[in-house]
Amino acid sequence: QQQVKQSPQSLIVQKGGISIINCAYENTAFDYFPWYQQFPGKGPALLIAIRPDVSEKKEGRFTISFNKSAKQFSLHIMDSQPGDSATYFCAAEPYNTDKLIFGTGTRLQVFP
Amino acid sequence: EAGVTQSPTHLIKTRGQQATLRCSPISGHTSVYWYQQALGLGLQFLLWYDEGEERNRGNFPPRFSGRQFPNYSSELNVNALELEDSALYLCASSTDRNQPQHFGDGTRLSIL
Repeated sequence: QQQVKQSPQSLIVQKGGISIINCAYENTAFDYFPWYQQFPGKGPALLIAIRPDVSEKKEGRFTISFNKSAKQFSLHIMDSQPGDSATYFCAAEPYNTDKLIFGTGTRLQVFP
Repeated sequence: EAGVTQSPTHLIKTRGQQATLRCSPISGHTSVYWYQQALGLGLQFLLWYDEGEERNRGNFPPRFSGRQFPNYSSELNVNALELEDSALYLCASSTDRNQPQHFGDGTRLSIL
């Protein structure tokens, strides 16, 4: 069964710190890895995404690091802000299926 | 640009009833996806519609069905409702297959 394992389940970071969320997958047939941010009462919003032909992608304070050989990818949030407090989901899409398989989510709390 | 819109926001049903959830994709998007987000769980892929056809289906029983209309809007129908169907149902849309999926804020389905 195709799975994406996400850790930690919850994360508390001080303002200005770095938040790191990790995901691992088992199936090598994934070819798209997005991260979503979800606030309470809202749907997930696409944050940043990467394809396996690159090892890193940066957009503002958000960076995805991708390790194809280890089947792992992670989200780094630099200079974390209280407004970043939300639940973050990693996902992976099997090749040519348009079906996203999500991790179980990480609840991030950033304290001032 | 208007995002993905879903209706109703909240739907309360009893066991055995049928529920219909609606989704309007972002203008110009032709693919619509449905996901179930049960409490404490990640998002589970339900269905994918593209150009009016069902293209992929998740591991859900046949009482979960849907359709896509010529204007690309979509309906999700759940028959013979069970208590475990209580969840947030999220709709996403994309411009084409293999393109980023953008989510609406969901319909909260509560089964009494």
